[in-house]
Amino acid sequence: NAGVTQTPKFRILKIGQSMTLQCAQDMNHNYMYWYRQDPGMGLKLIYYSVGAGITDKGEVPNGYNVSRSTTEDFPLRLELAAPSQTSVYFCASSYSGGAGGNTIYFGEGSWLTVV
Amino acid sequence: GENVEQHPSTLSVQEGDSAVIKCTYSDSASNYFPWYKQELGKRPQLIIDIRSNVGEKKDQRIAVTLNKTAKHFSLHITETQPEDSAVYFCAFGGGTSYGKLTFGQGTILTVHP
Repeated sequence: NAGVTQTPKFRILKIGQSMTLQCAQDMNHNYMYWYRQDPGMGLKLIYYSVGAGITDKGEVPNGYNVSRSTTEDFPLRLELAAPSQTSVYFCASSYSGGAGGNTIYFGEGSWLTVV
Repeated sequence: GENVEQHPSTLSVQEGDSAVIKCTYSDSASNYFPWYKQELGKRPQLIIDIRSNVGEKKDQRIAVTLNKTAKHFSLHITETQPEDSAVYFCAFGGGTSYGKLTFGQGTILTVHP
């Protein structure tokens, strides 16, 4: 199993450009997440999804959009990139988050620099 | 919103010593408490987790303890080795947060040979 796969791994964007970070998981997990990690900091939740067609905002959603048309894919869209969006982005998934909580598995990360 | 305080932010130990990292969380309904290890340039990876119906869990050299009354939990690493050097994150979730995890700010652990 590939687990959680993210592309691209590295990207440099100019201010005002837009791009999509792709994320796919092959573990049949219903929950998927996007976190960002700024240098020397913890992980902050951007958006999450509890299943196909359902998405919700996390702690830091401004400047981002997501969609979840299938169980496997959860792309993150950056509109009008700003230097404050320079960060490492991690896609993650878990099985049936529910009220019991479950292990979250992370992708390898996407390093994004906005100049 | 939910938050978690993690201490210390940096921890330096000699090989063979023990290391303890503590976290205090805000949501009393939380029932899932994982610890993640992140090596430089890599993804966070789960090393141990505990649920609210258990007070302590051990896996070889690592253990986690949970005090739900005080809303804090701790990671204990014994007989530390240089390869334990990494950033460690606590997190909490479950309960009203369902699958979402809230992460601490991380502890940079350095184990000197």
